[in-house]
Formats: sequence, C-alpha cells, structure tokens
Amino acid sequence: NAGVTQTPKFQVLKTGQSMTLQCAQDMNHEYMSWYRQDPGMGLRLIHYSVGAGITDQGEVPNGYNVSRSTTEDFPLRLLSAAPSQTSVYFCASSAVPSREKLFFGSGTQLSVL
Amino acid sequence: AQSVAQPEDQVNVAEGNPLTVKCTYSVSGNPYLFWYVQYPNRGLQFLLKYITGDNLVKGSYGFEAEFNKSQTSFHLKKPSALVSDSALYFCAVREVNDMRFGAGTRLTVKP
Repeated sequence: NAGVTQTPKFQVLKTGQSMTLQCAQDMNHEYMSWYRQDPGMGLRLIHYSVGAGITDQGEVPNGYNVSRSTTEDFPLRLLSAAPSQTSVYFCASSAVPSREKLFFGSGTQLSVL
Repeated sequence: AQSVAQPEDQVNVAEGNPLTVKCTYSVSGNPYLFWYVQYPNRGLQFLLKYITGDNLVKGSYGFEAEFNKSQTSFHLKKPSALVSDSALYFCAVREVNDMRFGAGTRLTVKP
C-alpha cells in the first residue's frame, strides 16, 4: 500500500551543489509530475511525464532535469542548486486520462544555503 | 490558461459550526475542479472532484462542494466542523498535463 514514495524527506545543500530527489510509485500510473510548494503560491508544476521515455516542461522548469526510464520512477535532478530553489518538493502521479485525481508523495523539504 | 483563486488566506470557525472555504475559477470550456487537503508535513490528499453532473459533489470526511456556473465558484463546505479539520485546503483545476492550484486557505477550527 505504498502509493507514491519520495526520498529524502529533508535535505540541506550548499549553493552550486547538485542532487537528485527520488520518486517512485507502485500504482502503474502513466502520468507523473513534480511540483514545488512555496508559501502563498500554491503548487507549481516543474516537469511532468505521460509515460516511460516521455518528459516535458511545466511552469517552472529552469534549473531542474528529469528522466523517466521506467513507469515506476521519476527522479528530479537539481544541476547547480541556488537559494531560490529552497522549497518543498512534491511528486505526484495519476492514471491517464486528464480527469483523474493526483496522488502525492509526502514531500522533500530542501534548503539551499 | 485555466486558473483558480482562493480569496481567503485564513478561515477560522468554531467546532460544530458550518464551514465554507471559497474558490472561484476561470476556465475555457467545461472545468474539471478539485479540492485537496494538506495536513502538516504531509502531501496533498484528494477530497472531491467535479467533472460533470450534479452541482453538489460529496467527498471524503463529510466535505461537499457546490459548483455554481453563473458565479464561477466551487466552494468547499461542511455542515459541522471538527478540530481535526484544521489544515491547508487547495482548490485546483485540471488541465491536460497539469493541475493548477490556488494559493491555499488555512482553516483553523477552534474548540
């Protein structure tokens, strides 16, 4: 009954460091996405994928890369961390088509110093 | 682009009283509207959705939402609030490859 699993839960980086946030789902969902949550701004879409081998940019993609080699996994890479990337990151998945609800992971709280 | 707005940052109600969390939408065509709840240190959880059909939608934990096309609103309601309903609530509209969220409304239910 795992659903969407994110690791790590907390991370502190120095400016310029790189890291990967992991996301895995066990519901065989085709659609996966990454959001960032900032106070007073709701959630904003970073990148999404509609299936293995297919990714696309969302509203705020700069500074982030993704890949989707399997249906289950959708890692988010920060190439060179900046203080503006301090945020809470959520991975989500859903069945296609587009009317379906999203299932969320528990989030990663990232601080960039 | 589709969007939703939540005009209230904070809503305070007393336990046992009815609660309303407001949401308005701006979409082209038929809207696919959702409400999610976020408890501290957790991801968002689905409460309910409106796709088509009855304007009153019932969801989890006794919540319901009323879709009003003339007022472009989709307010979340509950007849009797519980202290455990205290959380952050998000209205959202589904696009083809995105879910557009409002800024969120923090609901506090006081004993």
